[in-house]
Amino acid sequence: DAKTTQPTSMDCAEGRAANLPCNHSTISGNEYVYWYRQIHSQGPQYIIHGLKNNETNEMASLIITEDRKSSTLILPHATLRDTAVYYCIVRVGNTGNQFYFGTGTSLTVIP
Amino acid sequence: GAVVSQHPSRVICKSGTSVKIECRSLDFQATTMFWYRQFPKKSLMLMATSNEGSKATYEQGVEKDKFLINHASLTLSTLTVTSAHPEDSSFYICSARDLRDGTNYGYTFGSGTRLTVV
Repeated sequence: DAKTTQPTSMDCAEGRAANLPCNHSTISGNEYVYWYRQIHSQGPQYIIHGLKNNETNEMASLIITEDRKSSTLILPHATLRDTAVYYCIVRVGNTGNQFYFGTGTSLTVIP
Repeated sequence: GAVVSQHPSRVICKSGTSVKIECRSLDFQATTMFWYRQFPKKSLMLMATSNEGSKATYEQGVEKDKFLINHASLTLSTLTVTSAHPEDSSFYICSARDLRDGTNYGYTFGSGTRLTVV
């Protein structure tokens, strides 16, 4: 079962920063937080992941709270192509391999 | 970067027939691949974990005789939907992990297969 909760949907104005929250209050000390996104009728695309430090790459920034019970994905300058469903995933499973997807946040970037 | 290819991208089959979906890791080897299904406007649901050279591990509630998984090589896993029925119509997605990356990055997803059973 998914161990994360996210808002069902969000809107963001084009060019503005999109901040997508995720709660993972039961995360274990060795579990990573991953973010993927899925554009309609495509496979999920990796965005970023982190353990406890904030992370940044060419796509986004990931801010993880000190207690690791929540995180925020930041798309610094949202474009129309960023409209997608964003999934926050905590890696679970005895083998540590499986990804269980939650409901995700449907982000709509508005012109 | 790592690429996972799925084939076919779309398939229509008659009720009662079987259909095979292929998942290939194009530039890396994957001892483990994962199969998901996704209904319209729903999230991805993990169906099974495909292990190279051994039996797949199915999630609770997924019929192993209905969804046959074969992982005969380090670059290919197949999902066969047997005796398909209209309720099996769904979007099937595979993923694989590139073990060359020593971190926890490397889960790459295929582009999905849209199965329609008529």
